[in-house]
Amino acid sequence: DTGVSQDPRHKITKRGQNVTFRCDPISEHNRLYWYRQTLGQGPEFLTYFQNEAQLEKSRLLSDRFSAERPKGSFSTLEIQRTEQGDSAMYLCASSLGVTGETQYFGPGTRLLVL
Amino acid sequence: GDSVTQMEGPVTLSEEAFLTINCTYTATGYPSLFWYVQYPGEGLQLLLKATKADDKGSNKGFEATYRKETTSFHLEKGSVQVSDSAVYFCALLFYNQGGKLIFGQGTELSVKP
Repeated sequence: DTGVSQDPRHKITKRGQNVTFRCDPISEHNRLYWYRQTLGQGPEFLTYFQNEAQLEKSRLLSDRFSAERPKGSFSTLEIQRTEQGDSAMYLCASSLGVTGETQYFGPGTRLLVL
Repeated sequence: GDSVTQMEGPVTLSEEAFLTINCTYTATGYPSLFWYVQYPGEGLQLLLKATKADDKGSNKGFEATYRKETTSFHLEKGSVQVSDSAVYFCALLFYNQGGKLIFGQGTELSVKP
């Protein structure tokens, strides 16, 4: 068990560019969550998957954001036409999806939009 | 909607001092409650949790008790160490609503030797 991993760890992009982040959950975890954390704030929920099905999306997730988990393993989060307000830490977490189970977080991807 | 409020930081203490970080929540129903910790340069780690009223979560000398009557989950430690310096997040979760965590804004703790 190597924990949740995220790639890249840091991303600098220019406004208007598209970016894609990857999350590899703990193997056999069937739930995968994406959160966004801005400086000085707690993480905010964006979306989650049960296996390959995306079951909930936050109102924070505008139509420029899309997430996938095609085979129920790793997940990608894409942001199209990035804006400066998208600058944040993007966190991924996974869990077994069983009541009482803990969510384990990855190290995050820090995005800076210039 | 459901929310979590934490005391504002930063909190600065001397080593071996007593720590309290206040956390209150607003929720319809009875969520599970968590404290997560984020050490400098590291990811969020679960510190402790409680899933029902009057439960006490504990880990690494930290404790928190789920108080339904005051909707609180205050974090305490009897004697802090320099290595406890981190940002602490209180959070709630409803397992029957997808299990998404709702976090407070975080409280930064700095412990001086």
